[in-house]
Amino acid sequence: EPEVTQTPSHQVTQMGQEVILRCVPISNHLYFYWYRQILGQKVEFLVSFYNNEISEKSEIFDDQFSVERPDGSNFTLKIRSTKLEDSAMYFCASGAGTSSYNEQFFGPGTRLTVL
Amino acid sequence: ILNVEQSPQSLHVQEGDSTNFTCSFPSSNFYALHWYRWETAKSPEALFVMTLNGDEKKKGRISATLNTKEGYSYLYIKGSQPEDSATYLCASPDSWGKLQFGAGTQVVVTP
Repeated sequence: EPEVTQTPSHQVTQMGQEVILRCVPISNHLYFYWYRQILGQKVEFLVSFYNNEISEKSEIFDDQFSVERPDGSNFTLKIRSTKLEDSAMYFCASGAGTSSYNEQFFGPGTRLTVL
Repeated sequence: ILNVEQSPQSLHVQEGDSTNFTCSFPSSNFYALHWYRWETAKSPEALFVMTLNGDEKKKGRISATLNTKEGYSYLYIKGSQPEDSATYLCASPDSWGKLQFGAGTQVVVTP
C-alpha cells in the first residue's frame, strides 16, 4: 500500500542552523501539507501546497520557513535559522482530491530538536 | 465553538468493554470532519471523513456519528481490544483542506 515517507526520523540541530525536512508524498497525490506538534500541544497546520505554489499558510509559517517540490517526488520544508521553539514533531501529509472531503495521508514524522 | 475540542483527554478501558468519546467543532462553515487513529511511533491513519449531518460510518468495531447542526461527532469502539490502544484525533478542515485538530483522546485498553 502506498505511504508517505519522511526523512530523517530525528534531527538534532543547533539554534540558528538551517534544517531541511524531507517528505516523499504518495505519487499520484496533488495536495501537500506540513503540520507540526510541539510536545504537549495540538497538531497544528503550517502550510498547504498545490500546483507548485503555497495555497495557504499559518501565522507560524513566517519568512524563516519555506517549502519546495524540487523534482516532482520530494516535498521539503526548510527552516532557515532554527529557534528553540521550533523543536517539534513535523508531519508531512498528502491528499488526492479537493482535500476538505478527502483523507490526508500522513508520514511518520520527523522529530526536530533544536539545542 | 471556535476550536476543535475533544473529551475526555484520556480513558482506560477493559478489554471487551465498549467506549465512546466526543469531538466538538465549529458548526459554521462546515466542510467535513476527519477522524484519525494515531499509534505511538506510527503515522496518523485516517479512519473516517464525514460530511453529512446524521452520517454514521463504520470500520470494523469502530464507528462514528456526526451532528453538523450542533457541532459534534462521537466515535465508538465496540468490544475494545488491546490493539485499539491509540490516540484518536478529530480534525475540521477549511475549504483548502487545512486541518484544525483537536488535542486527541488517548485510549488505553488493558487486558
